[in-house]
Amino acid sequence: AQTVTQSQPEMSVQEAETVTLSCTYDTSESDYYLFWYKQPPSRQMILVIRQEAYKQQNATENRFSVNFQKAAKSFSLKISDSQLGDAAMYFCAYRRLGGTASKLTFGTGTRLQVTL
Amino acid sequence: GAVVSQHPSRVICKSGTSVKIECRSLDFQATTMFWYRQFPKQSLMLMATSNEGSKATYEQGVEKDKFLINHASLTLSTLTVTSAHPEDSSFYICSARAPSRNTEAFFGQGTRLTVV
Repeated sequence: AQTVTQSQPEMSVQEAETVTLSCTYDTSESDYYLFWYKQPPSRQMILVIRQEAYKQQNATENRFSVNFQKAAKSFSLKISDSQLGDAAMYFCAYRRLGGTASKLTFGTGTRLQVTL
Repeated sequence: GAVVSQHPSRVICKSGTSVKIECRSLDFQATTMFWYRQFPKQSLMLMATSNEGSKATYEQGVEKDKFLINHASLTLSTLTVTSAHPEDSSFYICSARAPSRNTEAFFGQGTRLTVV
């Protein structure tokens, strides 16, 4: 079974600084998807960024980028120029390739605080 | 983007009663929807996969007779918590993937259930 591990229960970053959230996963599949989701206090799950395992290039979305190390099964999220609105729970998630019935497996989450 | 709407956002019910939560895909048809449960400060735990026109697939340890899932149309799945008890109090979230954008999942706003 696939597992997703987030070893940092809480992280803190100062506004405008950069922070990296860690995620490792375990799978026997060669092709899959990885995601970072954000859950703010409203508890609405918001997709931050996704990575297809077959792509070597790291995904980037504005201030958010990932460091995808397939051999090490590592998928970290870097947030640059942190803003107060980035404060939230961040969940790393894995999904194998497949149709719309393929399930997401979530990590335990990292709570990010952004300070002035 | 694809929109998933969940209703109600909050519900309080008495012990022993049943409560129904609706999950709708507003601008796409979803043959599959997913129901999650989230305890405070914890991750999302998949409860079941809802399949349009057929029986839901429940995760290990989830009581199918207690958490009834009906997916009668391509845009609506319902979760009914039967004979609710205080320990059923939790945050319930649904998600679905649009066939045209199969990579990421879209989430409803969640339902906070309190059983008194």
